[in-house]
Amino acid sequence: DIQMTQSPASLSASVGDRVTITCRSSQNIDNYLNWYQQKPGRAPKVLIYAVSTLQSGVPSRFSGSESGTDFTLTISNLQPEDFATYYCQQSYSTPWTFGQGTKLEI
Amino acid sequence: QLQLQESGPGLVKPSETLSLTCTVSRGSISSSRHFWAWIRQAPVKGLEYIGSVFHNGDTYYNPSLKSRVTVSVDTFKNQFSLELNSVTAADTAVYYCARRVLSVGGPDYFDEWGQGTLVTVSS
Repeated sequence: DIQMTQSPASLSASVGDRVTITCRSSQNIDNYLNWYQQKPGRAPKVLIYAVSTLQSGVPSRFSGSESGTDFTLTISNLQPEDFATYYCQQSYSTPWTFGQGTKLEI
Repeated sequence: QLQLQESGPGLVKPSETLSLTCTVSRGSISSSRHFWAWIRQAPVKGLEYIGSVFHNGDTYYNPSLKSRVTVSVDTFKNQFSLELNSVTAADTAVYYCARRVLSVGGPDYFDEWGQGTLVTVSS
């Protein structure tokens, strides 16, 4: 299975900050990388698919990029509703696998 | 907007079978662009993809669970189901049903999710 390793595990930030979350795959996954946001007691919600394509309705302060097997989710101008846990997920090779999550806290 | 709703027992005894159903509303399960998936999240743990089914009955299972899992579809009822047998405490988790988008030339992804249902395995 492809391992997805996220860093950091948790992150403290303030409203208005710019934060970056990294996800590293254990092997090449091309652009088969998606990002999800999960709030407590809620299901995950897709933010970005194919590394950098924003899902419909997702604010433009969210962006994604890649460098080899390293993938980055950037959130600019943090808003109160952005404090949540973020997961990366690869769908390059079955079984699809998720990162362990990054908890973004105030 | 499409809605998915999980249903089934919240408590299952060890060694028995966990059975859940996902009802799809405001959309058709017979879509040619989507698979229908089950994903679980154990307490304080990450997300694990269990398996998925196409409207024609084609399935995919995570190899780590394949020997114990069956995912099936009922197009007439617009539902799909999960059966996981020989459960243990390690199968205690929130179980989500989700819609998997089939992308051409890019990654599949899960764009719609149910609210999730907690299933506890305990005697």
